[in-house]
Amino acid sequence: SSELTQDPAVSVALGQTVRITCQGDSLRSYYASWYQQKPGQAPVLVIYGKNNRPSGIPDRFSGSNSGNTASLTITGAQAEDEADYYCDSRDSSGNLWVFGGGTKLTVL
Amino acid sequence: QVQLVQSGAEVKKPGASVKVSCKASGYTFTSYYMHWVRQAPGQGLEWMGIINPSDGSISYAQKFQGRVTMTRDTSTSTVHMEVSSLRSEDTAVYYCAREVAAGTVAWFDPWGQGTLVTVSS
Repeated sequence: SSELTQDPAVSVALGQTVRITCQGDSLRSYYASWYQQKPGQAPVLVIYGKNNRPSGIPDRFSGSNSGNTASLTITGAQAEDEADYYCDSRDSSGNLWVFGGGTKLTVL
Repeated sequence: QVQLVQSGAEVKKPGASVKVSCKASGYTFTSYYMHWVRQAPGQGLEWMGIINPSDGSISYAQKFQGRVTMTRDTSTSTVHMEVSSLRSEDTAVYYCAREVAAGTVAWFDPWGQGTLVTVSS
C-alpha cells in the first residue's frame, strides 16, 4: 500500500499532551518525517528519523514508531503549536514518496 | 544558510503550460535530491516527483506521469517543474523541497516558499 492515514483533526488543552498518529504499511520499513504547516506558510520539518528534532524545534516535540504506526507527541502544547501536521515516508517500493492527509491541531 | 527560492505566482488558462523554478543556495546543489510537492486550496500535501540534480534522473508519481516534466540547470543551481495541459484542478501552491538522507532515513528540509499557480479561463 502507498497510503498514510492520519486523523483529520485533533484538539488539546493548553499545556496538555497530545499525540498525532500516522498509519501505513510503508512505515514497517521506513521512518516517517513530520512537518508543521501554519496558514499561508510552507511546511517546516519538526521530526525525522527515529526521533530527531532539527535545530530550533522545541523539545516538547517528539516522535515514536511501532509496527505500521508513527506518532508525533507534543508534551505541554502551546498556543503556537496550533497548525496542520503532516507525516510522510517513502512508499513500500522505496522509490516514491507519500504524504498523510494531514491532522489539524487545535489548542484550546 | 541553505535556501530555496521559487519563482513568482502564475495565472494560466486551461490547456496551457506553466514552468515553476526553484533556485538553491547555501549548499552543493548536485549533492541532494530535490522533490516537488503541491497543495490545492484547503487540501493536503501531494508528492509529485523527485529529480537527482547530479545526473538529471527523475521519478514521478503515477498521477503526474506524462504531464509533468522536471529538469535541472547545474550552472544556476536551479530545478524546474513544468506542468502541461493545465486544468482547474491544477490550481495549487507548488513547493520544492530538498531531500536530506542518512542511509535509508530521509526527510525534506528546507522547503521553498511556494508558488501559487492559478488555472482559470
